[in-house]
Amino acid sequence: QSVLTQPPSVSGAPGQRVTISCTGSSSNIGAGYDVHWYQQLPGTAPKLLIYGNSNRPSGVPDRFSGSKSGTSASLAITGLQAEDEADYYCQSYDSSLSGSRVFGTGTKVTVL
Amino acid sequence: EVQLVESGGGLVQPGGSLRLSCAASGFTFSSYEMNWVRQAPGKGLEWVSYISSSGSTIYYADSVKGRFTISRDNAKNSLYLQMNSLRAEDTAVYYCAREGTVKNWFDPWGQGTLVTVSS
Repeated sequence: QSVLTQPPSVSGAPGQRVTISCTGSSSNIGAGYDVHWYQQLPGTAPKLLIYGNSNRPSGVPDRFSGSKSGTSASLAITGLQAEDEADYYCQSYDSSLSGSRVFGTGTKVTVL
Repeated sequence: EVQLVESGGGLVQPGGSLRLSCAASGFTFSSYEMNWVRQAPGKGLEWVSYISSSGSTIYYADSVKGRFTISRDNAKNSLYLQMNSLRAEDTAVYYCAREGTVKNWFDPWGQGTLVTVSS
């Protein structure tokens, strides 16, 4: 049972902008804990996409951006490309669960 | 190259045990906190367990507490997950993941090892 809620799916045409929300609560995102995002291509392990709310690791295109406000965070993909079709997960820390790292429910991005 | 390679997965009967291993290379393993994360078939990611760099601090998800044991051998650059009293709902791909040095992000991840609990 995830404590971070994401929309099950989002879709967009190539070149469009899509956003994925990650809604938490006062014990995780709202408590000031950072949000991180992962991309999981079909049949592969997750890959770090955004760390510390809005930072991109080396090699991640600047089409991907993250933000955080209050008890929620968002991942935006601009200039959507076919290779962006994947599952995306947010992740944070929850102070109500001892030592608990928590993931979002996951969002499937479909490129139309 | 920083790399994590899991092994030890397989088919096990309900109530059985299995020990997963994660071999680390390309970085100073003893300096990093580590985690196990699992993904049931067709489902999302679930954090399973955390261990500090020295092994002195350990946390578990409620779903595995009392049944799973995380450990590490810094001399062998290896992370382990001992899984006992396995249930059908433990069926998943299990990933080991290194935790960030400043905040608790996961990077990199291993390729995963599949554990199937079935009679």
